Amino acid sequence: DIQMTQSPSSLSAFVGDRVTIACRASQSIASELNWYQQKAGKAPNLLIYAASTLQSGVPSRFSGSGSGTDFTLTISGLQSEDFATYYCQQSYTAPYTFGQGTKLEIK
Amino acid sequence: EVQLVESGGGLVQPGGSLRLSCAASGFTFTTYWMTWVRQAPGKGLEWVANIKQDGSEKYYVDSVKGRFTISRDNAKNSLYLQMNSLRAEDTAVYYCARVLWGSSGARFDYWGQGTLVTVSS
Repeated sequence: DIQMTQSPSSLSAFVGDRVTIACRASQSIASELNWYQQKAGKAPNLLIYAASTLQSGVPSRFSGSGSGTDFTLTISGLQSEDFATYYCQQSYTAPYTFGQGTKLEIK
Repeated sequence: EVQLVESGGGLVQPGGSLRLSCAASGFTFTTYWMTWVRQAPGKGLEWVANIKQDGSEKYYVDSVKGRFTISRDNAKNSLYLQMNSLRAEDTAVYYCARVLWGSSGARFDYWGQGTLVTVSS
């Protein structure tokens, strides 16, 4: 199975900050990488797919990059509604494994 | 508006069975793969199973193979997860989601609100 490792596991930031979350795959997954946001008690929400394509309706302050084994999610100009947990997921091959999550908290 | 509504969760004893349902509306159900994803309390997300539009292909995570069965009824716009031989480690919120396939793999673009399964004596 492909292992997905996110860093950091948690992160504190101020509203208005720019933050970056990293995701590393245990083998090359080309660009088959998705990012999800999950707020407490809610279902996950797709933010970015194919490593860098913004899902319809997602604000442009979210961006993704990377290919192969190393990927990043960047949020430019944090808003209060962005404080949540973020997960990467590989869609290269089953089982479609997720990273362990990165919890983004208000500083 | 796309809607996915799960039901069927509850408390079950170890070794027991449960059948989850997911009612889909707002899109042409027959044209999409569907999936189940679970989340143990306080833990991360785990993909469980996928099913093709016509049910001819199904894929599972190793930890549920031989115990869980994903199925669908396209006439009823419904997705199911039959869970047998349940274990404590199957305790989780179970989400159904719609699958979109593209040139760079699959993505889960709409999710239900989840249904909680608790396996305990």
